[in-house]
Formats: sequence, structure tokens, C-alpha cells
Amino acid sequence: GNSVTQMEGPVTLSEEAFLTINCTYTATGYPSLFWYVQYPGEGLQLLLKATKADDKGSNKGFEATYRKETTSFHLEKGSVQVSDSAVYFCALSDGAGGTSYGKLTFGQGTILTVHP
Amino acid sequence: NAGVMQNPRHLVRRRGQEARLRCSPMKGHSHVYWYRQLPEEGLKFMVYLQKENIIDESGMPKERFSAEFPKEGPSILRIQQVVRGDSAAYFCASSPASNQPQHFGDGTRLSIL
Repeated sequence: GNSVTQMEGPVTLSEEAFLTINCTYTATGYPSLFWYVQYPGEGLQLLLKATKADDKGSNKGFEATYRKETTSFHLEKGSVQVSDSAVYFCALSDGAGGTSYGKLTFGQGTILTVHP
Repeated sequence: NAGVMQNPRHLVRRRGQEARLRCSPMKGHSHVYWYRQLPEEGLKFMVYLQKENIIDESGMPKERFSAEFPKEGPSILRIQQVVRGDSAAYFCASSPASNQPQHFGDGTRLSIL
């Protein structure tokens, strides 16, 4: 079955530091890949996505590239801010089209804390 | 455009009682998904519904849990005879189609005394 493995946290950084959160996956077919962010007491917000190999998703300074050869979708940001402190989830869904549907499989989440 | 609305935000029940969690999808979204998040864990898929139909309930416990999405009104996740292990955050998500990104509600935090 499908699975997602995330870099274990928590991750603590100083403001303006470089961020990488690793994510690797196992899936049959051609999944779509996502990063979601969860702020305290809230639901998940879609941060970025990529639907095919070599696609790069980007949003709010965050980037992740769909690497089929290494089955990875690592999240990066060049300069983090205090406001980026949250829990980050990597996820995949079964590929689009046919009889597949968008059930999401999540990693365990990585807690990011950014200090001023 | 209102997002996915879940209520209540917090629900406290005693062991043996019933819990009903409601989810109103975004306008124009006919696909609803329920997920459960246990403390310090990621979200786990429970059930996927379209209007009046359960498409996939492979993540639902075999007993005490049920879900519906009637033609009119919100989707309901129902847990009968709750136990302490049901304490979790339950999230609903909706999408306009199965291959489109899901939008999440803020969740219902269920506590069992």
C-alpha cells in the first residue's frame, strides 16, 4: 500500500535560516504529492503540490520538487520566519483519472519552531 | 466563499455516549473525506463520500463508527458507545472532484471522559 515517511522532528531554527524537511514515499502508479501546513488549533492548509515527475510546487517561498527516481518530495525554504512555525505534513494521493480518487496518505508530520 | 465548516469545534462525551460530528463542505464541493488525527500522529483516512453514497470506508473501524452525506445537509460522522481511545481530532475535507486538492476544516476535538 501507499506510505509516506517524513523527517522526524521537531526542527528548531533561527529566523532567516535555511529549511529542509525530507519526505519520501512508496506508492503504486503515479501519485500526486502535497505539502500541508497546520497552525495550532486549526485544520490543514494546502501549501503546495506537484502532480507529475519533475514538477516543482512553490508557494510563500516554500518549494518542493517531485523526484520519481528517488521517490522524494523534500520541502525547502531559503529564509524562514517566526510565522512559519507550524506542523508540516507531506502527503500523497492516488493518481488522477480512471477509478482512482483523492484519498490522502499522510506522513507523521514535522513540528517546525522558528526563533527570532 | 466560506471554507469547510465543522462543528462543534470541541466535543466532550462520557464513555458509552454517542458523538455526532458535522461537516459542511465548501460550496460546489460534492466530495467529502473524513480523517482522524491521534495525538502526535499524522492524519489517517477514514471514509470518502459523495452525495448520498459511501465510496470508500476502508479506514473506518468495523464497529460503532458510521458516516453519511445526505442529499440535503451536512455530512455526519457518528460514533456510538464512545471509548477513551476515540479521543482525537477529526478532520473533514472536501473537494469539487476526486482528483482535485482537498480543503480542510478546522476539525472537531473529541474528548472522552
